Amino acid sequence: AQSVSQHNHHVILSEAASLELGCNYSYGGTVNLFWYVQYPGQHLQLLLKYFSGDPLVKGIKGFEAEFIKSKFSFNLRKPSVQWSDTAEYFCAVNSGNTPLVFGKGTRLSVIA
Amino acid sequence: EAGVAQSPRYKIIEKRQSVAFWCNPISGHATLYWYQQILGQGPKLLIQFQNNGVVDDSQLPKDRFSAERLKGVDSTLKIQPAKLEDSAVYLCASSLTGGTGELFFGEGSRLTVL
Repeated sequence: AQSVSQHNHHVILSEAASLELGCNYSYGGTVNLFWYVQYPGQHLQLLLKYFSGDPLVKGIKGFEAEFIKSKFSFNLRKPSVQWSDTAEYFCAVNSGNTPLVFGKGTRLSVIA
Repeated sequence: EAGVAQSPRYKIIEKRQSVAFWCNPISGHATLYWYQQILGQGPKLLIQFQNNGVVDDSQLPKDRFSAERLKGVDSTLKIQPAKLEDSAVYLCASSLTGGTGELFFGEGSRLTVL
């Protein structure tokens, strides 16, 4: 069965700091990888996704993620965070048509 | 484009009572999901529908949870009888197709069982 590990439960950063949120998955086959974000009081929404091709994926709001197959990782990055990036971030994986399996999430707090 | 609609947003019940949640997916989306999100955890799939057929309900506690998707559009999720550990946010999501299709989530229904 697929599983997803997000290493950081809560990350606190100052504005303009760089961000990297870890995500590792366990599955030996071909996977599709996703990052979802949930802003305070809002619904989950897609940040970016990887299916195939270039392992460096760019998403909305300046976020990017890199798929490293040898490390079973799909870390999320942003060079300079803003206060508005305060949210909870979820990594998710599926394979073929299987439903998404989510990690436990990482709460990001950005302080001025 | 209207998003995924869910109701009620909040529900408080006592254990052993029953509760039902409703979801209206985005128009034209064939696939509908119900996820359970317990505080501090990520969403966990309860059931997946493709049109009005069940694709995956392996993690649905069938002794107390039931779900249906009427005419391949709206869906209801019912819990009867509720337990304390059912306190969670119940998320409905839809997508055009399964697999690589983007999931669009509703705002969720927060259930508190006392």
